[in-house]
Amino acid sequence: SAVISQKPSRDICQRGTSLTIQCQVDSQVTMMFWYRQQPGQSLTLIATANQGSEATYESGFVIDKFPISRPNLTFSTLTVSNMSPEDSSIYLCSVEASTYEQYFGPGTRLTVT
Amino acid sequence: QQQVKQSPQSLIVQKGGIPIINCAYENTAFDYFPWYQQFPGKGPALLIAIRPDVSEKKEGRFTISFNKSAKQFSLHIMDSQPGDSATYFCAASISPGLTGGGNKLTFGTGTQLKVEL
Repeated sequence: SAVISQKPSRDICQRGTSLTIQCQVDSQVTMMFWYRQQPGQSLTLIATANQGSEATYESGFVIDKFPISRPNLTFSTLTVSNMSPEDSSIYLCSVEASTYEQYFGPGTRLTVT
Repeated sequence: QQQVKQSPQSLIVQKGGIPIINCAYENTAFDYFPWYQQFPGKGPALLIAIRPDVSEKKEGRFTISFNKSAKQFSLHIMDSQPGDSATYFCAASISPGLTGGGNKLTFGTGTQLKVEL
């Protein structure tokens, strides 16, 4: 399995601001994913980030709100833009192994006040 | 539309008991079914996964039972321990195959398991 780190681990932000979350993996991977997990809830896929192409967003998520970068095979960022209290969640990145198994980072806990 | 339904929402068992968590799916195109374990403040950790060509898979104390005709699968934890107390998520996906696009997981709603001494 891959070792995945995320920065920051948590943050408290004011509404209207933006936060960029970093995800770093210790090996090269083609597919990375970003999920949102609201407190006590399940995980919802935001987008798929394939190195060398534009991120693919799921229904209900748009690039203007959640821009994603994938500059190389070990790194990705997710920005949460123009934040509101409804964006308070845990944001998780994951990577896909060659066998389609998916491994998750520790998450970034975001609170918007 | 919730494509993966998980039950129960919470479960309490005694140490040594066998908790069973059930999931049902709707999309017959799903062909990969993993289970994740999540402790508070941590990311989900992959426990075990199954594909529909087998009806059961065991890894250590964890067993997945799969019923393709009923579109159901379940997780059994043998000889449960207090350290197994966590939230468990089932998930399902369609293997990307030659088209690529990534293995997009659809998660169940989660089961909070507590194993008491």
